[in-house]
Amino acid sequence: QVQLQESGPGLVKPSETLSLTCAVSGYSISSGYYWGWIRQSPRKGLEWIGSIFHSGSTYYNPSFKSRVTISIDRSKNQFSLKLSSVTAADTGVYYCAKPITMLRGVEDAFDIWGQGSMVTVSS
Amino acid sequence: DIQMTQSPSALSASIGDRVTITCQASQDISNYLSWYQQKPGKAPKLLIYDASDLETGVPSRFSGSGSGTDFIFTISSLQTEDIATYYCQQYDSVPLTFGGGTKVDIK
Repeated sequence: QVQLQESGPGLVKPSETLSLTCAVSGYSISSGYYWGWIRQSPRKGLEWIGSIFHSGSTYYNPSFKSRVTISIDRSKNQFSLKLSSVTAADTGVYYCAKPITMLRGVEDAFDIWGQGSMVTVSS
Repeated sequence: DIQMTQSPSALSASIGDRVTITCQASQDISNYLSWYQQKPGKAPKLLIYDASDLETGVPSRFSGSGSGTDFIFTISSLQTEDIATYYCQQYDSVPLTFGGGTKVDIK
């Protein structure tokens, strides 16, 4: 049974970089899927941030593209999110998620989600 | 970007009522649409994918229909445990986008 677990600081100062990790259990991320990051905030609702393939290939939402980096660590079976130059608008719950299939590439729904990591941007 | 417009944003219904939520895409997305249920403090849960396919383990009172730009999500007989916020998501093209949500509660 595939499970995802986010981890990282719950408080980040404005202008700094938000860093989160998603640990995957029950499946080797090297086997496939475009693993995704999604944010939920009161202001913007659910927003797809981006996704990464096991090869390291990435797709980013243009709304975040200049600030976001998603990377993968196959040895630790995890993938990570970095969001730079954060402001209060980046406050929200950050989810990592697994898409339904390997057949559609990055364009897919998400059938397994982590429990979410609440991040507050404040000095 | 494809905009997803959900309506209504909130509704109240009685136990046993039929509940209908609509989602409209700003352009044709074929049947690349999913529906999620989210309860407070929890992650979204996938209920429907490919517009009408029920995720394994999801009760059959949930259903979805539509294609192109107009989609419908239905709860055939509202139960107490269905109190939640429901979201649609398109996956026809990136960036993946979500609707604004419909909060369902008991009248």
